[in-house]
Amino acid sequence: GQQVMQIPQYQHVQEGEDFTTYCNSSTTLSNIQWYKQRPGGHPVFLIQLVKSGEVKKQKRLTFQFGEAKKNSSLHITATQTTDVGTYFCAGLLNTGNQFYFGTGTSLTVIP
Amino acid sequence: GAGVSQTPSNKVTEKGKYVELRCDPISGHTALYWYRQSLGQGPEFLIYFQGTGAADDSGLPNDRFFAVRPEGSVSTLKIQRTERGDSAVYLCASSFGRARFTDTQYFGPGTRLTVL
Repeated sequence: GQQVMQIPQYQHVQEGEDFTTYCNSSTTLSNIQWYKQRPGGHPVFLIQLVKSGEVKKQKRLTFQFGEAKKNSSLHITATQTTDVGTYFCAGLLNTGNQFYFGTGTSLTVIP
Repeated sequence: GAGVSQTPSNKVTEKGKYVELRCDPISGHTALYWYRQSLGQGPEFLIYFQGTGAADDSGLPNDRFFAVRPEGSVSTLKIQRTERGDSAVYLCASSFGRARFTDTQYFGPGTRLTVL
């Protein structure tokens, strides 16, 4: 079955509103990475989290790694039209060298 | 080059044919990954190279899929006896370090494979 799930699958927000996507794994992860894929484009690496409870910020983006290292979130404050795309989490299972991308959250920003 | 390049950008083939997809990683990157992305899904890992050797091919779906990287730079993904279910975007990524899945992966634009 799917190892890494993301919710929601789709999100439409008005420009200026906040956005959050959640990533959940059935297995403890060694790390979690986040990628952004614009429509018709390829995944672009955003960040990697490694430590339990870690929080990192990139301008309007805040990334968190759960205490149990089984979940993560990406929060965007005051969305802009340039934030449009699909956001994927990807994690390395700590049971072996298995790396899974999540199902992705597609963000649409309405100007 | 400035980034990872992949050729061709699009490939249309008939069921049963053989195809080769090429990846040119970023110069100096020792690690190279192949992924497959179906519509509406996240990339699915296929194979990982460290240098010339396939360090992890656990994601290859069956023996119709094979990949090489003979000189530790360019890689070719080879698919024999293509099936309609092989239709997807095939993505290549490279990274600088030796720690698989823990370094920044730089993705290429992908090759869209359509099997008729």
